[in-house]
Amino acid sequence: DTGVSQDPRHKITKRGQNVTFRCDPISEHNRLYWYRQTLGQGPEFLTYFQNEAQLEKSRLLSDRFSAERPKGSFSTLEIQRTEQGDSAMYLCASSESQGAKLFFGEGSRLTVL
Amino acid sequence: DQQVKQNSPSLSVQEGRISILNCDYTNSMFDYFLWYKKYPAEGPTFLISISSIKDKNEDGRFTVFLNKSAKHLSLHIVPSQPGDSAVYFCAASVGSARQLTFGSGTQLTVLP
Repeated sequence: DTGVSQDPRHKITKRGQNVTFRCDPISEHNRLYWYRQTLGQGPEFLTYFQNEAQLEKSRLLSDRFSAERPKGSFSTLEIQRTEQGDSAMYLCASSESQGAKLFFGEGSRLTVL
Repeated sequence: DQQVKQNSPSLSVQEGRISILNCDYTNSMFDYFLWYKKYPAEGPTFLISISSIKDKNEDGRFTVFLNKSAKHLSLHIVPSQPGDSAVYFCAASVGSARQLTFGSGTQLTVLP
């Protein structure tokens, strides 16, 4: 039984560079979520997909952020022109359509220097 | 604008005693509430949930209580064990979208 997996686990980049994170959800789950967590705070919702359709985006998701789930399976989150304020843990979660529980991956930690 | 608040950043409890973690919310539209546990370097893991049509849900050592009039929920852990030491997040959602709004977490330390 594989859970939600995220890659890379840790990314260090210089300000202005682009970064991309990948999430592989639990295979039978058709909902996929991205959250961001900063130190001392709980996870904050960024966006979610039902299959390949991106159904909701938070106002936290600026124009520099883009998420895709092209075939309704894995998802990518790209951050363009990174800023130091983007440094955070990016968490992916998945659930069944009517599922009440979100299953989280271990996260991808981004450090922008 | 924090819609879900956990006002205690930390809590220490002796092994075997009860741990009570509290959570308050402001959005009356929330109809589903969850507790997640998080160990360092891991993602949050689901612990227990409750629908707004109930006021109590129990699962082994864990019980969640919901007081809708006070917009308050609590998680009781009895008896507390050292392995329960973790950060506990309260979360809430509206409808079937399951977009969760999290509190800032409470670090529980269970002392042996």
